[in-house]
Amino acid sequence: AQTVTQSQPEMSVQEAETVTLSCTYDTSESDYYLFWYKQPPSRQMILVIRQEAYKQQNATENRFSVNFQKAAKSFSLKISDSQLGDAAMYFCALKTSYDKVIFGPGTSLSVIP
Amino acid sequence: KAGVTQTPRYLIKTRGQQVTLSCSPISGHRSVSWYQQTPGQGLQFLFEYFSETQRNKGNFPGRFSGRQFSNSRSEMNVSTLELGDSALYLCASSLGTDSYEQYFGPGTRLTVT
Repeated sequence: AQTVTQSQPEMSVQEAETVTLSCTYDTSESDYYLFWYKQPPSRQMILVIRQEAYKQQNATENRFSVNFQKAAKSFSLKISDSQLGDAAMYFCALKTSYDKVIFGPGTSLSVIP
Repeated sequence: KAGVTQTPRYLIKTRGQQVTLSCSPISGHRSVSWYQQTPGQGLQFLFEYFSETQRNKGNFPGRFSGRQFSNSRSEMNVSTLELGDSALYLCASSLGTDSYEQYFGPGTRLTVT
């Protein structure tokens, strides 16, 4: 069975600082995708970043980057220069071919001005 | 390109009634997935449809059903509503079922009294 774990239910960061959200997963598949989704208080879920398992290079999207450690089955999200608009629930997700997406329990991020 | 739309946005029903929720995916997307989101259980997968066929199903009772039409629009139905069915129901669309990222709608907030 595939699982996604986010061990930090809540995190906080000072505005303009850097924060890292943790995610570990488990799958027996060799081909899969990993995602980070953001759900602001307005509730619309937004895709932040995605990583293909076959790619060794870590994905980056502006201030968002990941640290993908395939052997350790770890997929952390780093947010640089945190902004007030980054405050949201962040979900880590795993998808293997032809299977459903598995979401982690989420990490609630607060940004302190 | 228009995003994923869900109707209605808010719904109040009484125990024992049934409800139908609708989801229109992004144009060109053929896969639609449904999730139930509650504070206690997080995001739980309900089912996924691709080209009018149910591809995956979560662990929900038979009271929860869905379907997809030839234009990729999808509906989910919950019969004999229970208080515990109160939740935010999210719909997500993707191009296909093979490891594509999902794009979420705003959700339907269902309250059962």
